[in-house]
Amino acid sequence: NAGVTQTPKFQVLKTGQSMTLQCAQDMNHNSMYWYRQDPGMGLRLIYYSASEGTTDKGEVPNGYNVSRLNKREFSLRLESAAPSQTSVYFCASSLTGLGETQYFGPGTRLLVL
Amino acid sequence: KNEVEQSPQNLTAQEGEFITINCSYSVGISALHWLQQHPGGGIVSLFMLSSGKKKHGRLIATINIQEKHSSLHITASHPRDSAVYICAVGRWSNYQLIWGAGTKLIIKP
Repeated sequence: NAGVTQTPKFQVLKTGQSMTLQCAQDMNHNSMYWYRQDPGMGLRLIYYSASEGTTDKGEVPNGYNVSRLNKREFSLRLESAAPSQTSVYFCASSLTGLGETQYFGPGTRLLVL
Repeated sequence: KNEVEQSPQNLTAQEGEFITINCSYSVGISALHWLQQHPGGGIVSLFMLSSGKKKHGRLIATINIQEKHSSLHITASHPRDSAVYICAVGRWSNYQLIWGAGTKLIIKP
């Protein structure tokens, strides 16, 4: 089992460019999450998907869109990247999502110039 | 006031010392989580607990529901324990965890 995988591991973008961060889990989990972590800061929830076919905004959704492609995959899209979106992005999943243990991917380091 | 508060923010100790990290919360919870983030960035879940005490190796987590407080203890600390330790709480009927800011622990040899 790979657990939660994320691609790419590292990306450099210019302001205004778009990109999609990919996340997949092989644990048959229902809920998936996207977080960002800025240097020296805690995790902040961007979007989550409680189950296949549903997505909801978290604490900091502006500038992002998500797609729950199927039960395994949850992607995060930056339509027009801004320097303020420079961060480390983590995807996580949990079985049912209701207060349960979340399993994290290795993270994607994004630098927006 | 944050709903989940951790203390201390930073902790430096010598190898072998007994370490305590605290987490207080102000909301009703279904469970409390302790996670570890290594300097390389990976985040790993250590414990999920809703009452009492759990132990895994040199790590012990306790929770007092009445006082809305949890502690993470590390016995016989080692430099490889150096990491950020994060407390988070889950609530009934809610898919989001509320995250603490983390405690950065450095263990010196």
